[in-house]
Amino acid sequence: QKEVEQNSGPLSVPEGAIASLNCTYSDRGSQSFFWYRQYSGKSPELIMFIYSNGDKEDGRFTAQLNKASQYVSLLIRDSQPSDSATYLCAVNRNGQNFVFGPGTRLSVLP
Amino acid sequence: DGGITQSPKYLFRKEGQNVTLSCEQNLNHDAMYWYRQDPGQGLRLIYYSQIVNDFQKGDIAEGYSVSREKKESFPLTVTSAQKNPTAFYLCASSDRPSQPQHFGDGTRLSIL
Repeated sequence: QKEVEQNSGPLSVPEGAIASLNCTYSDRGSQSFFWYRQYSGKSPELIMFIYSNGDKEDGRFTAQLNKASQYVSLLIRDSQPSDSATYLCAVNRNGQNFVFGPGTRLSVLP
Repeated sequence: DGGITQSPKYLFRKEGQNVTLSCEQNLNHDAMYWYRQDPGQGLRLIYYSQIVNDFQKGDIAEGYSVSREKKESFPLTVTSAQKNPTAFYLCASSDRPSQPQHFGDGTRLSIL
């Protein structure tokens, strides 16, 4: 089992819709969870981070964490074509470093 | 402006050659990291450092070496032992190991 798993996509949604990106992790002791957006050819940029079970909202983005199910998700409301990118889920490992999932490619269609 | 600077942006390596990628940060972060990204893949951890003069191997350290002589600098050397070095290399830093990371713009390494 891989440490962090994501559907590779592409996930296609129409403009204005809600995009839902999912991530599962294997280490039950993980405490910190991060979502990064990466445009083609560019470096990742931090979108959200979440440490506690439940929802965390920031503008159009909502991160959801369920530690019992070892599941973290990112919702993007009112999706825009500029949201088209690869979204990387990262999990802190033993408080020492990070492990990344393979990323989900999102395409928002005008 | 605070940030992470990686140089060069593009680098070409000849067979049998060692090359060094630079990473400098002025964020006063304690922790620094090096990742490798292959096309269509996620990031894989090469080395990380939580404090000056100390560093740890990541998941794919073979064929790479690092140093951390100053808090703001964490250079990565790709040695001739790394037989498939072509990739996008990303340096990151965080205030503490469990805190969000911030990335530099990356270095693209290719073989001549």
